[in-house]
Amino acid sequence: SQQGEEDPQALSIQEGENATMNCSYKTSINNLQWYRQNSGRGLVHLILIRSNEREKHSGRLRVTLDTSKKSSSLLITASRAADTASYFCATDDGGGFKTIFGAGTRLFVKA
Amino acid sequence: DTAVSQTPKYLVTQMGNDKSIKCEQNLGHDTMYWYKQDSKKFLKIMFSYNNKELIINETVPNRFSPKSPDKAHLNLHINSLELGDSAVYFCASSQRRGVGNEQFFGPGTRLTVL
Repeated sequence: SQQGEEDPQALSIQEGENATMNCSYKTSINNLQWYRQNSGRGLVHLILIRSNEREKHSGRLRVTLDTSKKSSSLLITASRAADTASYFCATDDGGGFKTIFGAGTRLFVKA
Repeated sequence: DTAVSQTPKYLVTQMGNDKSIKCEQNLGHDTMYWYKQDSKKFLKIMFSYNNKELIINETVPNRFSPKSPDKAHLNLHINSLELGDSAVYFCASSQRRGVGNEQFFGPGTRLTVL
């Protein structure tokens, strides 16, 4: 089964609203990454948070990590139509070399 | 300038055929990857090479054979294509091996097996 699983599977919001996506994983990790995939394109790296960090910010993105609950969240504030994409969390398998992606959350931001 | 490029972008072929997908990165990265993304968008690692050496080889049928002629190129050859091979295949690269390194993805190759 997958290491990372996103929740919800799909999310539809109005422009200007905040979008929150969650990721849960099963085994201990060294770090967790979030990627975005626009329709028909490859994945683009957004942010990496290490296992000893609890929160990280990058522009309108805020990522939290709770290693005790084995979960992470990605918050996109003041969403825009251009944020419409699939968002994936990616973790390692504890060994440090293999990246495992979840199934993604499909975000649709209505203008 | 495209950082990670793949050819072809679309590939439609008959069952039983053999096909290749090519990948090149101009970022000077040491590590390259092949991923398969199925119709449900689930992305799964297939292979990884570091400086032309195979370092990750997931449970993939041996009909799939990667080849890295140099560290800037990683090609994927698929023999005897099956219907279940239909998917989008992504090449990616990172500066070094290890999951703390940001991966840069190519645009993908959509393979359809009829």
